[in-house]
Amino acid sequence: DQQVKQNSPSLSVQEGRISILNCDYTNSMFDYFLWYKKYPAEGPTFLISISSIKDKNEDGRFTVFLNKSAKHLSLHIVPSQPGDSAVYFCAASARGTSYGKLTFGQGTILTVHP
Amino acid sequence: GAVVSQHPSWVICKSGTSVKIECRSLDFQATTMFWYRQFPKQSLMLMATSNEGSKATYEQGVEKDKFLINHASLTLSTLTVTSAHPEDSSFYICSARAYQGNQETQYFGPGTRLLVL
Repeated sequence: DQQVKQNSPSLSVQEGRISILNCDYTNSMFDYFLWYKKYPAEGPTFLISISSIKDKNEDGRFTVFLNKSAKHLSLHIVPSQPGDSAVYFCAASARGTSYGKLTFGQGTILTVHP
Repeated sequence: GAVVSQHPSWVICKSGTSVKIECRSLDFQATTMFWYRQFPKQSLMLMATSNEGSKATYEQGVEKDKFLINHASLTLSTLTVTSAHPEDSSFYICSARAYQGNQETQYFGPGTRLLVL
């Protein structure tokens, strides 16, 4: 049972354009969502998070949007840079339970072309 | 951001031996640490939640007698893979629960690649 899904295994974007990474979830208990960036053979790096009481959170080039009714969130990267090329994971947590353990999506490989 | 280290970064061992992996939070105290496993081209799968001073909580399907977790201090958690077999070969990653500003997150270690021959 995949509670967090990233349906696009890969995304290719031109440098300077917008990258939009999508994530869907099924568990209505999730109330906190995070995005991580990961390079091969390294641990994930935290990018940005959003609580279910908000529908948008922005940090520099990264913006996360949350649509609770659709159980959907997205990460926007503007402008995209070649150094953004990596695997992006969304993760969800039900903060009232289990010490904030995270459930990860399958990941989306982002490639930003110069 | 906060730093989490793991040691060793990679290990090759013979089938039947035990391997210990250390996870340290270097510049903050972590009452809660997590252990994940990632198989090639798959997502991170949570194995267990490690709480300082108490027994770890294992996810369904994870054998607690095979994957021993000790969280003896606020900066160190260890995962011991006992009697390792080739199917245990994987990328093991730990994380520590922390706060970045007002955002709760987990900071991840660099991972440990285990190859069991």
